[in-house]
Amino acid sequence: NAGVTQTPKFQVLKTGQSMTLQCAQDMNHNSMYWYRQDPGMGLRLIYYSASEGTTDKGEVPNGYNVSRLNKREFSLRLESAAPSQTSVYFCASSEGPPSRADTFGSGTRLTVV
Amino acid sequence: ILNVEQSPQSLHVQEGDSTNFTCSFPSSNFYALHWYRWETAKSPEALFVMTLNGDEKKKGRISATLNTKEGYSYLYIKGSQPEDSATYLCASFGFQGGKLIFGQGTELSVKP
Repeated sequence: NAGVTQTPKFQVLKTGQSMTLQCAQDMNHNSMYWYRQDPGMGLRLIYYSASEGTTDKGEVPNGYNVSRLNKREFSLRLESAAPSQTSVYFCASSEGPPSRADTFGSGTRLTVV
Repeated sequence: ILNVEQSPQSLHVQEGDSTNFTCSFPSSNFYALHWYRWETAKSPEALFVMTLNGDEKKKGRISATLNTKEGYSYLYIKGSQPEDSATYLCASFGFQGGKLIFGQGTELSVKP
């Protein structure tokens, strides 16, 4: 089915470990986003990529890096995981401009112990 | 208003009740307002995208209005059903920020 695919769905990390969350979309969207969702905080933007080859910081970028590998793929890397990064992570894409709605992936539940 | 704010935070209604929520957003440099429906353990799904002052959108029993001059949007659900139980998110896109800013959401629970 067309849409946004995120992997993995669940992950448990030890403090200090690193990992990469993968995201791919097959809708030929230009823009891709990484959000985190915490209780009572709604969705907060970590990084976004308005088009292939560009990335920009969002509201909460500290502790994360991203790579827009090609038009389809946008990965999020945690270099040294911390308990504060325990969250649910969502990848999204949109045609852009913002008059088009975002399409979200199914989420990655990450726990850092 | 500098942030996107939603009220109430949570709402508990009986099946058949009609309900509405508010989303307040910065009115300066406004471009678009998005509404999403987010069921537990699923990903957010788009309901509406509105850009023009006075816009009204409808999808079944759910409708939304937009006032860009005063910076608010209302989401209405007529005759709530248990399957309407979800968190409803709004997000504003302004030219200055260049990205969507989400509110905290309104969690709706509809009891049969």
